[in-house]
Amino acid sequence: DTGVSQNPRHKITKRGQNVTFRCDPISEHNRLYWYRQTLGQGPEFLTYFQNEAQLEKSRLLSDRFSAERPKGSFSTLEIQRTEQGDSAMYLCASSPLSKTEKLFFGSGTQLSVL
Amino acid sequence: KQEVTQIPAALSVPEGENLVLNCSFTDSAIYNLQWFRQDPGKGLTSLLLIQSSQREQTSGRLNASLDKSSGRSTLYIAASQPGDSATYLCAARWSGTASKLTFGTGTRLQVTL
Repeated sequence: DTGVSQNPRHKITKRGQNVTFRCDPISEHNRLYWYRQTLGQGPEFLTYFQNEAQLEKSRLLSDRFSAERPKGSFSTLEIQRTEQGDSAMYLCASSPLSKTEKLFFGSGTQLSVL
Repeated sequence: KQEVTQIPAALSVPEGENLVLNCSFTDSAIYNLQWFRQDPGKGLTSLLLIQSSQREQTSGRLNASLDKSSGRSTLYIAASQPGDSATYLCAARWSGTASKLTFGTGTRLQVTL
């Protein structure tokens, strides 16, 4: 068990390009979450999966954002037509299906949109 | 609106001092509260989780308390060390929003030699 893994660690892109991030959760964890964090702020919830089902999406997740977890294992977060305001750290977390639902976070993907 | 607030935003203490970090939340119908540590440019490391039915949790030099009636949680760090320097975030989960953590903006701690 190596914890939650996110790739890439850093992504620099030009405005208008599409980007995709990957998250590999802890293997036995059913639940997977995406959060976004800007400088000096706490993480903000984006979306949540239980197995392959996307059960909740924040209003922060505009139509340009899409997340998938096709086989209930890894997840991808895609941003289409990136804007400078999308620059942030994108964090993935996973948790087991348990009463406590303690979250374990990955190291994040730092996105810079030029 | 369910919100989490952490004050102060930054704190500097000399090595060896005991310290308390504060977290307040607006809705007492809390499900649980989790404390995290974040090093610059890195992800979050879970420190302690307190369920709504609990008053405190301890791990090594760390002790977290929860007072639902006053809407407050504290993280106590004993005998601080330079390696404790980081940003500390608290996050609340409320009943009815089981999938979502709401974070404070964090307290940036510096422990000086």
